[in-house]
Amino acid sequence: GESVGLHLPTLSVQEGDNSIINCAYSNSASDYFIWYKQESGKGPQFIIDIRSNMDKRQGQRVTVLLNKTVKHLSLQIAATQPGDSAVYFCAEEDSSYKLIFGSGTRLLVRP
Amino acid sequence: DGGITQSPKYLFRKEGQNVTLSCEQNLNHDAMYWYRQDPGQGLRLIYYSQIVNDFQKGDIAEGYSVSREKKESFPLTVTSAQKNPTAFYLCASSTPAYEQYFGPGTRLTVT
Repeated sequence: GESVGLHLPTLSVQEGDNSIINCAYSNSASDYFIWYKQESGKGPQFIIDIRSNMDKRQGQRVTVLLNKTVKHLSLQIAATQPGDSAVYFCAEEDSSYKLIFGSGTRLLVRP
Repeated sequence: DGGITQSPKYLFRKEGQNVTLSCEQNLNHDAMYWYRQDPGQGLRLIYYSQIVNDFQKGDIAEGYSVSREKKESFPLTVTSAQKNPTAFYLCASSTPAYEQYFGPGTRLTVT
């Protein structure tokens, strides 16, 4: 079946360093992927998305990479700041336009 | 201000009572979704609606019911049949094949 999972449940980085959060997906037919950020007690916030016809997409301080060969998605955050501390989810859209979420990675930024 | 509103933010109920969670959006989105999130977990889909007067069960629909009488509104009822209703409930809306926008969530506690 379809599934989206994350390799690391918790990632701790030094302020100013770059962060990389990884995600694996199992449905090779999926063609839309999204990264969300969720702060404690709040709803998820859209960060960046990518479609399967792209390998890379950049936003402000964030980059998403898609490797369709190994069904892997990553989120890179440049110059990580304390405000980046949150749980990050990747999500995969299925053929019914439903999102399938992974369990999330908690990013902790050390001052 | 465009967005999704959920009310109330915190809700307390006694076991055996039905409770309805509100979700309203003014984004003119056709699709709306309800998710449940347990502590330290990802999001699980309860129900979704792609158009007014139509909705489908998600992965964990048992013990829940919804209605979609208006495009803007997608209320969720947590019935007494739901065995473990205490959770954080998130509503989202989208244009299909684009990102879902999430509301701030309702934290339901049943004792």
